[in-house]
Amino acid sequence: RKEVEQDPGPFNVPEGATVAFNCTYSNSASQSFFWYRQDCRKEPKLLMSVYSSGNEDGRFTAQLNRASQYISLLIRDSKLSDSATYLCAVNNGRADMRFGAGTRLTVKP
Amino acid sequence: GAVVSQHPSWVICKSGTSVKIECRSLDFQATTMFWYRQFPKQSLMLMATSNEGSKATYEQGVEKDKFLINHASLTLSTLTVTSAHPEDSSFYICSASALDRNTGELFFGEGSRLTVL
Repeated sequence: RKEVEQDPGPFNVPEGATVAFNCTYSNSASQSFFWYRQDCRKEPKLLMSVYSSGNEDGRFTAQLNRASQYISLLIRDSKLSDSATYLCAVNNGRADMRFGAGTRLTVKP
Repeated sequence: GAVVSQHPSWVICKSGTSVKIECRSLDFQATTMFWYRQFPKQSLMLMATSNEGSKATYEQGVEKDKFLINHASLTLSTLTVTSAHPEDSSFYICSASALDRNTGELFFGEGSRLTVL
C-alpha cells in the first residue's frame, strides 16, 4: 500500500464548477499536511497547509480528518488558471515529505 | 517564502557520462535537503535525504553508488548521476526545509530536466 494515495483523476470540469480532491495517508503519526500545485514541467508550489480545523483561502478549502486519515481540497468557481496537477503531501515529522501521485485538473471554457 | 535554487535547469548528455546537479538554499540554512525524481505523468518519488556533514540516506531501490549526494554546507547539496543511461532521463527536484521555521513545509528548487542520449 502506498503511503499517500490520491484520487487518480483526471478531472475535466467546466469553468465555474466545484471540484473536490481526496487523499488518504497510512502513517497515523504524520504531523503536517499540505496541498501543492504543480504546473507542467515545473516544480511543485505550496497551495495551502491543511489543519484539523479546516482552512479556507479564497476559493480553496482544505480539510483534514485525522481519525479517517484523509485530507481533502475543494475548489469552488473553477478558473481556467486552476488547471494543473494537485499533489497532496504528508510530513512525517522528520521533514520527510511524502507525496500522492497527483490529480490532474483541466478546467475548460 | 524561502528560496531554493537548482542548477542546471536542463541538461542533455551522452550515455556513460556523469552529470552534477546543484541545489542551494539562498536565504535560509537547511540541515536537510531532499532529492526527488519525477517521471512523466508520475508523482514525485523521494530518492534520498541529504544531511549536512553526513552521509545521505537513500530510499529503497535507489543506488547510492549511481546517485552520489554531497551536502557539504548548510546551503548546498549536490546530486551526481554517474554513468548516466537513457533510463535515468527524468525531472530531478531538490527541496529543503528551513531550520528557523517549524511549519513542516518544503521549499522546492526549480527542477533539473535530464535527458540522456
